[in-house]
Amino acid sequence: ELKVEQNPLFLSMQEGKNYTIYCNYSTTSDRLYWYRQDPGKSLESLFVLLSNGAVKQEGRLMASLDTKARLSTLHITAAVHDLSATYFCAVVKVYNFGNEKLTFGTGTRLTIIP
Amino acid sequence: DTGVSQNPRHKITKRGQNVTFRCDPISEHNRLYWYRQTLGQGPEFLTYFQNEAQLEKSRLLSDRFSAERPKGSFSTLEIQRTEQGDSAMYLCASSLSHYEQYFGPGTRLTVT
Repeated sequence: ELKVEQNPLFLSMQEGKNYTIYCNYSTTSDRLYWYRQDPGKSLESLFVLLSNGAVKQEGRLMASLDTKARLSTLHITAAVHDLSATYFCAVVKVYNFGNEKLTFGTGTRLTIIP
Repeated sequence: DTGVSQNPRHKITKRGQNVTFRCDPISEHNRLYWYRQTLGQGPEFLTYFQNEAQLEKSRLLSDRFSAERPKGSFSTLEIQRTEQGDSAMYLCASSLSHYEQYFGPGTRLTVT
C-alpha cells in the first residue's frame, strides 16, 4: 500500500527566512503534486512533478522531485505572511480501470510570523 | 464559472438522518473522484467514476455510502443513517484521462 509522509507537520517561521518541507513516499509513482489549502477552503494546485530531477518554481516556492530516493521537497524562500497555509504533497499511482488515485501526505501547517 | 462546483457548501444534520451531496464536474471531464478530509488530515480517496461507471470504491466507503453519476455528468454522494464520525469535508474532483484532477470547493458536513 502506498504511504506518503510529510515533515514537519507544523512549521512556524519568521518572515524573510528560508525553509524546506519534505515528502517521502513508499512505492514508485507516476506523478507528484503539491497543493495549498487555506482554512476551510479546497485545494489549490501549486506544482506537478513528472520525472526524476524535475524542478518547478513559482514566486517564493520551489518544488523538486527525486524518484530514486522517493522524495520531493518544497522550498520556501524569504517567507512572507501570505504563504501561511497547509501544504500537502500527493502522489499519483494508476490503479485498475485508469483510476489515477491521489494519495495525500498528512500536510504541513505553515505559519509565518511577522 | 467553468470549474468544479459542489452543493451544498455546508450541511448540518442530526445523527441518523440521510444526506445527499452533489458535484458538477468540468463539462468535458470524463473522470470524477470523491475524497473525504477530516480535520487535520489529508484527503482520502472514496470512489472513482469513469463516465457513468463507478469503477473503484475505497474500503472507507461503508454500505451506508452510495455514489452515482447518471449519464456521466453530475455525481451525487449519499450517506444514510449519518454518524458523528461522518463529519468531514467531502471533496469532488474531475479530470480528463491522464491529466490533473481539479477540485471543487467541498461540502462540509457536521453531524450533531
